[in-house]
Amino acid sequence: EAGVTQSPTHLIKTRGQQATLRCSPISGHTSVYWYQQALGLGLQFLLWYDEGEERNRGNFPPRFSGRQFPNYSSELNVNALELEDSALYLCASSLDIFTDTQYFGPGTRLTVL
Amino acid sequence: GENVEQHPSTLSVQEGDSAVIKCTYSDSASNYFPWYKQELGKGPQLIIDIRSNVGEKKDQRIAVTLNKTAKHFSLHITETQPEDSAVYFCAATPSGYSTLTFGKGTMLLVSP
Repeated sequence: EAGVTQSPTHLIKTRGQQATLRCSPISGHTSVYWYQQALGLGLQFLLWYDEGEERNRGNFPPRFSGRQFPNYSSELNVNALELEDSALYLCASSLDIFTDTQYFGPGTRLTVL
Repeated sequence: GENVEQHPSTLSVQEGDSAVIKCTYSDSASNYFPWYKQELGKGPQLIIDIRSNVGEKKDQRIAVTLNKTAKHFSLHITETQPEDSAVYFCAATPSGYSTLTFGKGTMLLVSP
């Protein structure tokens, strides 16, 4: 069974541009989580989607947004990129809204120049 | 909200030794505590988890202990091997309709 997949693996953007990151959860999972892993800061929770709705949001500005599609895949959009947005963006999925166990994908490395 | 502190930030051991990583949490409502291993260039991999209704859980060379009164939990790795070298993260959450709060990670280096 395939795990969580993310694309692209690497993404290079310049300051002020927009970035779109994509995630496909484990088959049968309805919940998708996004985390930012900046150097030395651990994993910071960004967004949680389940059944197409945003369920929770971390302490990030509104230029971080996303959505979940009917097939439960998800995309994360980052507008007006800043240098500090350079990080590894991780997607995780869980079976449903009540299941705590999260499984992570390999991440997308975003570099803002 | 929940706050998780993890110690030590780095840990070096010799192959065959034991390694212990400790985490404390702040929210007494938290009742699910997973541990993840992250190898270089990869996403975090769930290695073991524990819920508040048990005090200890083992899986081969890995064990996790939980002290709810003191609000801390620990990861124990016995007979360490070089392939155990990685960054380990602890996390905590109140169960159901919540998100994980992670510690800042421990870099474990196992020398042959």
